[in-house]
Amino acid sequence: SSELTQDPAVSVALGQTVRITCQGDILRTYYSSWYQQRPGQAPVLVLYAENNRPSGIPDRFSGSRSGNTASLTITGAQAEDEADYYCNSRGITGFSWVFGGGTKLTVL
Amino acid sequence: QVRLVQSGTEVKKPGASVKISCKASGYAFTRHWMHWVRQVPGQGFEWMGVINPSGETTSYAQKFQGRVAMTWDTSTNTDYMQLSSLTSEDTAVYYCARDNSMVREGISGWWFDPWGQGTLVTVSS
Repeated sequence: SSELTQDPAVSVALGQTVRITCQGDILRTYYSSWYQQRPGQAPVLVLYAENNRPSGIPDRFSGSRSGNTASLTITGAQAEDEADYYCNSRGITGFSWVFGGGTKLTVL
Repeated sequence: QVRLVQSGTEVKKPGASVKISCKASGYAFTRHWMHWVRQVPGQGFEWMGVINPSGETTSYAQKFQGRVAMTWDTSTNTDYMQLSSLTSEDTAVYYCARDNSMVREGISGWWFDPWGQGTLVTVSS
């Protein structure tokens, strides 16, 4: 079983708010990061250390954590936000890293 | 501009090995670890391992132990990932990604940025 669990698919109406979650006990110990991947493209970092946005990422992307669950929230989802989103954190065993299974976001 | 440029598409037969390169530019190469991640078509990401270009430290995912080797060439700012004994299940896009880290309020966090463009490896007889 994966150390980080994500819902496989989520949908949101254009302009509405959506939350994508990532659950795992390791998130009580380490910060998460989030990646957006559009079809046929390499992934892009959208959040790091839980709630920090790299330059160039719109401020409609935000992050939070509660207990063992990290969340990526998109406030006012746009058509271009339709993509797969993956969370990532340090692994439980040794010097390793793990990804969540990914969430496919559909913007209706 | 920080950039990672990977080598091109590979087609290999079962049992062969593949060696992918990742050339870094725009930053101090030896100051950042480099991760390798793969993505089987239609699936999620799988972390393979990490290498420290300023030393001789590597850490590999248990799944790839004994079959993967990550090396670096500081003279050309290039990392390499070699995977041996290939099977059809190794057909995937392989990415390199630069490690970044911070500590805030006593909690550590790592993130991968930037990523290379990916290298498709197809294993087929």
